Amino acid sequence: GQQLNQSPQSMFIQEGEDVSMNCTSSSIFNTWLWYKQDPGEGPVLLIALYKAGELTSNGRLTAQFGITRKDSFLNISASIPSDVGIYFCAGLGSGGYQKVTFGTGTKLQVIP
Amino acid sequence: SQTIHQWPATLVQPVGSPLSLECTVEGTSNPNLYWYRQAAGRGLQLLFYSVGIGQISSEVPQNLSASRPQDRQFILSSKKLLLSDSGFYLCAWAGGSQYEQYFGPGTRLTVT
Repeated sequence: GQQLNQSPQSMFIQEGEDVSMNCTSSSIFNTWLWYKQDPGEGPVLLIALYKAGELTSNGRLTAQFGITRKDSFLNISASIPSDVGIYFCAGLGSGGYQKVTFGTGTKLQVIP
Repeated sequence: SQTIHQWPATLVQPVGSPLSLECTVEGTSNPNLYWYRQAAGRGLQLLFYSVGIGQISSEVPQNLSASRPQDRQFILSSKKLLLSDSGFYLCAWAGGSQYEQYFGPGTRLTVT
């Protein structure tokens, strides 16, 4: 099925550094979601964005809903070892069924 | 608050054997329910979704089937497993006005 383009695919960063990742689509979405998945566990919802241009924070995480409604960005400030995992973006269209399109994931490794 | 359960957590089954994975949701009514499969290091593939009891939609043709016998119960089945059915199976629910999806802990299936 359709997937969102998420970049980078993987990244190694030093503890304390800031991280940026993004997600782009050829389709417009009404809602953007960001999830984190730890190894062997289900994805956990981090941030939900509902309006174009919206900027939302959750602790050290900040995400933005792109103005064009075709992209979204996630930033992590002052990374720590427990930030390690795979980050997925997801877009929701409109309609009663609410099918979600997931990104391909960004694997984050933090070097202590 | 809402919680989602999956069992078993891990399963090793021989090729050709049947499969039954169960997912239940607590704390909400009439949720949308979803089954996803995730291959190692890969993204999420939507297998089935349900908007109500007895209502199942399939996204990918395969030897798996799904059923929803009760409002908050979703079952993934197979009559004869294939090696290619190995993977991490995730159940998710969505509800409310925004329909963000929330995932269960997953079932690791290994077909030998």
